[in-house]
Amino acid sequence: AQSVTQLGSHVSVSEGALVLLRCNYSSSVPPYLFWYVQYPNQGLQLLLKYTSAATLVKGINDFEAEFKKSETSFHLTKPSAHMSDAAEYFCAVLDSSNTGKLIFGQGTTLQVKP
Amino acid sequence: GAGVSQSPSNKVTEKGKDVELRCDPISGHTALYWYRQSLGQGLEFLIYFQGNSAPDKSGLPSDRFSAERTGGSVSTLTIQRTQQEDSAVYLCASSRDLEGGYTFGSGTRLTVV
Repeated sequence: AQSVTQLGSHVSVSEGALVLLRCNYSSSVPPYLFWYVQYPNQGLQLLLKYTSAATLVKGINDFEAEFKKSETSFHLTKPSAHMSDAAEYFCAVLDSSNTGKLIFGQGTTLQVKP
Repeated sequence: GAGVSQSPSNKVTEKGKDVELRCDPISGHTALYWYRQSLGQGLEFLIYFQGNSAPDKSGLPSDRFSAERTGGSVSTLTIQRTQQEDSAVYLCASSRDLEGGYTFGSGTRLTVV
């Protein structure tokens, strides 16, 4: 069975600082991994996804994530935080049942301080 | 439509009443998913539709929950005899493939009082 663990339910950074949101996965098959973002009172929006091509994946709004098999990690980074990045971020792994079902982590709330 | 549309956006209902939540997916997206988002529970899978059939309904929490999809398009999630623990945001998502890149709707916030 697959699972995802997001380390840190809340992360706070200053505007302009590096953003690092941590995600570790467990999977018995080569994983497809995702980061989604949820702004207040909205649905989730796909930031980026890893599908076994390049290990460094670039997404929208200058976010990127690196797949590290040896560490079973897929951490999300952004070089410089903006106030508008304040949101909840979810890491997810594609279930191996061939239904397209996603297994989500518990989420990390990112706070950006001026 | 341009996005996934869910209605109502908010629903307050009395315990014991039935509710229907609607999802209108992106045209041409054959896969449709319902998830529930509760405080402290994260995102919980409920059911998956491929066309009008539901090959995976393993996440429905009890037999009070049911869902259908008609015309390969609109889906309705029905909760009968609502309980307070059903209070959550119900999210619908659609996709043209099974590789996990969904488009989500904005959700229906259900409050059972």
